[in-house]
Amino acid sequence: DIQMTQSPSSLSASVGESVTITCRASQPISNSLNWVQQRPGRAPNLLIYGTSKLQSGVPSRFRGSVSGTDFTLTISSLQREDSATYYCQQTYNTPITFGQGTRLEIK
Amino acid sequence: EVQLVESGGGLVQPGESLRLSCAVSGFGVSDTYMNWVRQAPGKGLEWVSLISSGGTTFYADSVKGRFTISRDNSKATLYLQMNSLRPEDTALYYCAREMDYGEEDDVFDIWGQGTMVTVSS
Repeated sequence: DIQMTQSPSSLSASVGESVTITCRASQPISNSLNWVQQRPGRAPNLLIYGTSKLQSGVPSRFRGSVSGTDFTLTISSLQREDSATYYCQQTYNTPITFGQGTRLEIK
Repeated sequence: EVQLVESGGGLVQPGESLRLSCAVSGFGVSDTYMNWVRQAPGKGLEWVSLISSGGTTFYADSVKGRFTISRDNSKATLYLQMNSLRPEDTALYYCAREMDYGEEDDVFDIWGQGTMVTVSS
């Protein structure tokens, strides 16, 4: 199984700041890496797919990238509604696996 | 409108069975891959099972041999039959549509709101 190691587990930032979340796969997954947002009490919601492609309707301040084996989600110009838990997800093969999640608090 | 609505959750005792349903609207339940994902209270997301458009099924090791995914095209419904339930199966169960966006981009683009399963004596 492909293990997805996500960091940090939590972080706190202020409105207008930028944050970066990192996800590392235990083996090559090509670009089959998605980022999912889950607001408290809500179902997950797709943000980024294929490492860097923005899902329709998602603000452009969300950006995905990769450097070597490290996939990153960067959120710029933080808004209060960005308070959520973010998960990376690999769909390269089954079992599909998620990172442990990063809880983002907006101060 | 494309929508997924789960039902069938509840409180059961260890060893008992439960069948979850996911009503599909706005597309055909066999048109694409469909998945079940669960989330234990206060924990992260865990993929459980998928059924391909061709009917091939896959399971997480933690549920293999106990859970069965299926669908009924005439009822536009996805199912998860859960047998020999354990306390560690306690979770909110989501169904999710998986779409092929091309270039190896498989995404869970539509999620239901989930149905809660509690396994406790």
